[in-house]
Amino acid sequence: NAGVTQTPKFQVLKTGQSMTLQCAQDMNHNSMYWYRQDPGMGLRLIYYSASEGTTDKGEVPNGYNVSRLNKREFSLRLESAAPSQTSVYFCASSVIAGSTDTQYFGPGTRLTVL
Amino acid sequence: AQKVTQAQTEISVVEKEDVTLDCVYETRDTTYYLFWYKQPPSGELVFLIRRNSFDEQNEISGRYSWNFQKSTSSFNFTITASQVVDSAVYFCALDSGAGSYQLTFGKGTKLSVIP
Repeated sequence: NAGVTQTPKFQVLKTGQSMTLQCAQDMNHNSMYWYRQDPGMGLRLIYYSASEGTTDKGEVPNGYNVSRLNKREFSLRLESAAPSQTSVYFCASSVIAGSTDTQYFGPGTRLTVL
Repeated sequence: AQKVTQAQTEISVVEKEDVTLDCVYETRDTTYYLFWYKQPPSGELVFLIRRNSFDEQNEISGRYSWNFQKSTSSFNFTITASQVVDSAVYFCALDSGAGSYQLTFGKGTKLSVIP
Protein backbone atom coordinates (compact mmCIF):
# COMPACT_ATOMS: atom_id res chain seq x y z
CA ASN A 1 0.00 0.00 0.00
CA ALA A 2 1.94 3.02 -1.27
CA GLY A 3 -0.57 5.61 -0.02
CA VAL A 4 -0.26 8.86 -1.98
CA THR A 5 2.50 9.07 -4.56
CA GLN A 6 3.69 12.10 -6.49
CA THR A 7 5.94 12.54 -9.49
CA PRO A 8 8.34 14.12 -10.03
CA LYS A 9 10.07 14.76 -6.71
CA PHE A 10 12.01 17.73 -8.04
CA GLN A 11 11.62 19.94 -11.08
CA VAL A 12 13.28 23.07 -12.41
CA LEU A 13 11.45 25.10 -15.04
CA LYS A 14 12.13 28.27 -16.92
CA THR A 15 9.56 31.04 -16.87
CA GLY A 16 6.86 30.32 -19.42
CA GLN A 17 7.38 26.57 -19.57
CA SER A 18 4.56 24.20 -18.79
CA MET A 19 4.46 20.99 -16.83
CA THR A 20 2.11 18.55 -15.14
CA LEU A 21 2.51 17.23 -11.62
CA GLN A 22 1.12 13.74 -11.18
CA CYS A 23 -0.57 12.34 -8.10
CA ALA A 24 -2.03 8.90 -7.44
CA GLN A 25 -3.52 7.23 -4.39
CA ASP A 26 -4.22 3.56 -3.77
CA MET A 27 -6.42 3.92 -0.68
CA ASN A 28 -9.70 4.07 -2.59
CA HIS A 29 -10.25 7.58 -1.31
CA ASN A 30 -12.95 9.68 -2.90
CA SER A 31 -11.47 13.13 -2.47
CA MET A 32 -8.15 14.54 -3.58
CA TYR A 33 -6.41 17.88 -3.06
CA TRP A 34 -3.49 19.95 -4.25
CA TYR A 35 -1.73 22.28 -1.81
CA ARG A 36 1.31 24.47 -2.08
CA GLN A 37 3.68 25.13 0.79
CA ASP A 38 5.66 28.35 0.90
CA PRO A 39 8.14 29.29 3.63
CA GLY A 40 6.43 30.78 6.66
CA MET A 41 2.95 30.47 5.15
CA GLY A 42 1.79 26.96 5.95
CA LEU A 43 -0.12 25.06 3.28
CA ARG A 44 -2.68 26.63 0.98
CA LEU A 45 -5.22 24.79 -1.09
CA ILE A 46 -4.95 25.20 -4.86
CA TYR A 47 -7.68 22.87 -6.16
CA TYR A 48 -9.60 19.94 -4.88
CA SER A 49 -11.72 17.14 -6.24
CA ALA A 50 -14.52 16.10 -3.91
CA SER A 51 -15.24 13.01 -5.98
CA GLU A 52 -14.36 11.48 -9.32
CA GLY A 53 -15.51 13.73 -12.11
CA THR A 54 -15.59 16.95 -10.10
CA THR A 55 -12.99 19.63 -9.45
CA ASP A 56 -13.20 22.98 -7.69
CA LYS A 57 -10.99 25.94 -6.91
CA GLY A 58 -9.35 26.39 -3.57
CA GLU A 59 -7.71 29.44 -2.06
CA VAL A 60 -4.99 30.03 -4.67
CA PRO A 61 -6.05 28.56 -8.06
CA ASN A 62 -4.69 31.22 -10.42
CA GLY A 63 -2.11 29.86 -12.87
CA TYR A 64 -3.10 26.24 -12.36
CA ASN A 65 -5.43 23.67 -13.89
CA VAL A 66 -6.33 20.22 -12.67
CA SER A 67 -7.68 16.96 -14.03
CA ARG A 68 -9.24 14.15 -12.04
CA LEU A 69 -8.35 11.44 -14.47
CA ASN A 70 -10.05 8.65 -12.51
CA LYS A 71 -10.63 7.82 -8.88
CA ARG A 72 -6.94 7.20 -8.27
CA GLU A 73 -5.28 10.05 -10.15
CA PHE A 74 -5.37 13.83 -9.82
CA SER A 75 -2.96 15.95 -11.84
CA LEU A 76 -1.96 19.59 -11.51
CA ARG A 77 -0.87 21.55 -14.57
CA LEU A 78 1.08 24.77 -14.81
CA GLU A 79 0.43 26.19 -18.26
CA SER A 80 2.97 29.00 -18.17
CA ALA A 81 5.18 28.79 -15.12
CA ALA A 82 6.13 31.95 -13.21
CA PRO A 83 8.77 32.47 -10.49
CA SER A 84 5.92 33.05 -8.00
CA GLN A 85 4.99 29.40 -8.47
CA THR A 86 8.27 28.25 -6.96
CA SER A 87 7.04 26.16 -4.07
CA VAL A 88 6.63 22.68 -2.68
CA TYR A 89 3.46 21.04 -3.96
CA PHE A 90 1.60 18.45 -1.98
CA CYS A 91 -1.16 16.17 -3.11
CA ALA A 92 -3.51 14.75 -0.50
CA SER A 93 -6.51 12.45 -0.36
CA SER A 94 -9.30 11.66 2.06
CA VAL A 95 -12.04 9.10 2.29
CA ILE A 96 -14.83 11.63 2.26
CA ALA A 97 -14.99 15.17 1.04
CA GLY A 98 -14.49 18.10 3.34
CA SER A 99 -11.91 19.44 5.72
CA THR A 100 -13.30 17.48 8.69
CA ASP A 101 -11.93 14.21 7.34
CA THR A 102 -8.28 13.25 7.72
CA GLN A 103 -6.23 14.12 4.68
CA TYR A 104 -3.24 11.94 3.85
CA PHE A 105 -0.41 13.64 2.05
CA GLY A 106 2.06 12.59 -0.61
CA PRO A 107 5.81 13.21 -0.32
CA GLY A 108 5.68 16.50 -2.22
CA THR A 109 7.20 17.95 -5.40
CA ARG A 110 9.77 20.70 -5.04
CA LEU A 111 9.37 23.06 -8.00
CA THR A 112 11.73 25.88 -8.89
CA VAL A 113 10.84 28.35 -11.62
CA LEU A 114 13.75 30.43 -12.88
CA ALA B 1 -12.67 33.12 9.89
CA GLN B 2 -10.60 30.21 11.07
CA LYS B 3 -7.11 30.82 12.36
CA VAL B 4 -4.39 28.64 13.86
CA THR B 5 -1.49 30.14 15.77
CA GLN B 6 1.68 28.28 16.59
CA ALA B 7 3.62 30.92 18.44
CA GLN B 8 6.80 28.86 18.80
CA THR B 9 8.69 29.14 15.55
CA GLU B 10 11.64 27.00 16.63
CA ILE B 11 12.39 24.92 19.71
CA SER B 12 15.58 23.09 20.62
CA VAL B 13 15.75 20.46 23.31
CA VAL B 14 18.30 17.94 24.44
CA GLU B 15 17.45 14.33 23.86
CA LYS B 16 15.26 12.76 26.58
CA GLU B 17 13.78 16.09 27.58
CA ASP B 18 10.02 16.59 27.40
CA VAL B 19 8.74 19.27 25.05
CA THR B 20 5.34 20.84 24.49
CA LEU B 21 4.30 22.42 21.22
CA ASP B 22 1.56 25.00 21.53
CA CYS B 23 -1.42 25.43 19.24
CA VAL B 24 -4.13 28.05 19.68
CA TYR B 25 -7.05 28.20 17.31
CA GLU B 26 -9.95 30.49 16.46
CA THR B 27 -13.24 29.37 15.03
CA ARG B 28 -16.89 30.33 15.26
CA ASP B 29 -18.05 26.79 14.62
CA THR B 30 -19.38 24.73 17.50
CA THR B 31 -18.33 21.52 15.81
CA TYR B 32 -14.85 21.38 14.43
CA TYR B 33 -11.84 19.12 14.03
CA LEU B 34 -8.22 19.68 14.92
CA PHE B 35 -5.21 17.90 13.51
CA TRP B 36 -1.49 17.56 14.07
CA TYR B 37 0.91 16.70 11.28
CA LYS B 38 4.65 16.01 11.39
CA GLN B 39 6.98 17.06 8.57
CA PRO B 40 10.40 15.42 9.00
CA PRO B 41 13.45 16.67 7.11
CA SER B 42 12.58 14.34 4.25
CA GLY B 43 9.61 16.60 3.56
CA GLU B 44 6.52 14.44 3.65
CA LEU B 45 3.57 15.30 5.88
CA VAL B 46 2.70 12.58 8.36
CA PHE B 47 -0.70 12.53 10.03
CA LEU B 48 -0.51 12.26 13.84
CA ILE B 49 -3.95 12.88 15.28
CA ARG B 50 -7.48 14.09 14.54
CA ARG B 51 -9.70 15.31 17.35
CA ASN B 52 -13.26 16.58 17.25
CA SER B 53 -14.48 19.43 19.38
CA PHE B 54 -16.80 17.27 21.47
CA ASP B 55 -14.04 15.08 22.75
CA GLU B 56 -11.96 16.94 25.32
CA GLN B 57 -10.27 13.88 26.73
CA ASN B 58 -6.53 13.98 26.56
CA GLU B 59 -5.00 11.42 24.27
CA ILE B 60 -1.79 9.49 24.68
CA SER B 61 -0.02 7.49 22.03
CA GLY B 62 3.30 6.15 23.18
CA ARG B 63 5.55 9.14 23.87
CA TYR B 64 3.05 11.53 22.31
CA SER B 65 0.19 13.16 24.16
CA TRP B 66 -2.29 15.85 23.31
CA ASN B 67 -4.08 18.25 25.61
CA PHE B 68 -7.27 19.75 24.21
CA GLN B 69 -8.83 22.62 26.15
CA LYS B 70 -11.85 24.32 24.63
CA SER B 71 -11.85 26.97 27.37
CA THR B 72 -8.55 28.32 26.12
CA SER B 73 -8.96 27.20 22.46
CA SER B 74 -5.76 25.23 22.67
CA PHE B 75 -4.67 21.85 21.40
CA ASN B 76 -1.14 21.34 22.67
CA PHE B 77 1.16 18.48 21.78
CA THR B 78 3.71 17.01 24.19
CA ILE B 79 6.54 14.68 23.34
CA THR B 80 7.91 12.83 26.35
CA ALA B 81 11.54 11.73 26.46
CA SER B 82 12.28 13.29 23.08
CA GLN B 83 14.46 11.49 20.56
CA VAL B 84 16.52 12.70 17.62
CA VAL B 85 13.95 11.14 15.27
CA ASP B 86 11.40 13.60 16.64
CA SER B 87 13.26 16.43 14.93
CA ALA B 88 10.76 17.84 12.44
CA VAL B 89 8.38 20.66 11.73
CA TYR B 90 5.05 20.11 13.41
CA PHE B 91 1.86 21.62 12.06
CA CYS B 92 -1.41 22.12 13.85
CA ALA B 93 -4.45 22.40 11.56
CA LEU B 94 -8.14 23.14 11.87
CA ASP B 95 -10.95 22.21 9.56
CA SER B 96 -12.12 25.33 7.81
CA GLY B 97 -15.78 25.05 8.56
CA ALA B 98 -18.83 23.27 7.27
CA GLY B 99 -18.70 22.73 3.54
CA SER B 100 -15.04 23.63 3.32
CA TYR B 101 -12.41 21.42 1.80
CA GLN B 102 -9.37 23.27 2.99
CA LEU B 103 -7.54 22.74 6.21
CA THR B 104 -6.35 25.88 7.96
CA PHE B 105 -2.76 25.28 8.93
CA GLY B 106 -0.61 27.02 11.48
CA LYS B 107 2.82 28.11 10.32
CA GLY B 108 4.50 25.23 12.07
CA THR B 109 7.00 24.73 14.88
CA LYS B 110 10.43 23.46 14.02
CA LEU B 111 11.65 21.07 16.71
CA SER B 112 15.31 20.18 16.92
CA VAL B 113 16.31 17.40 19.30
CA ILE B 114 20.00 17.53 20.08
CA PRO B 115 21.74 14.27 20.98
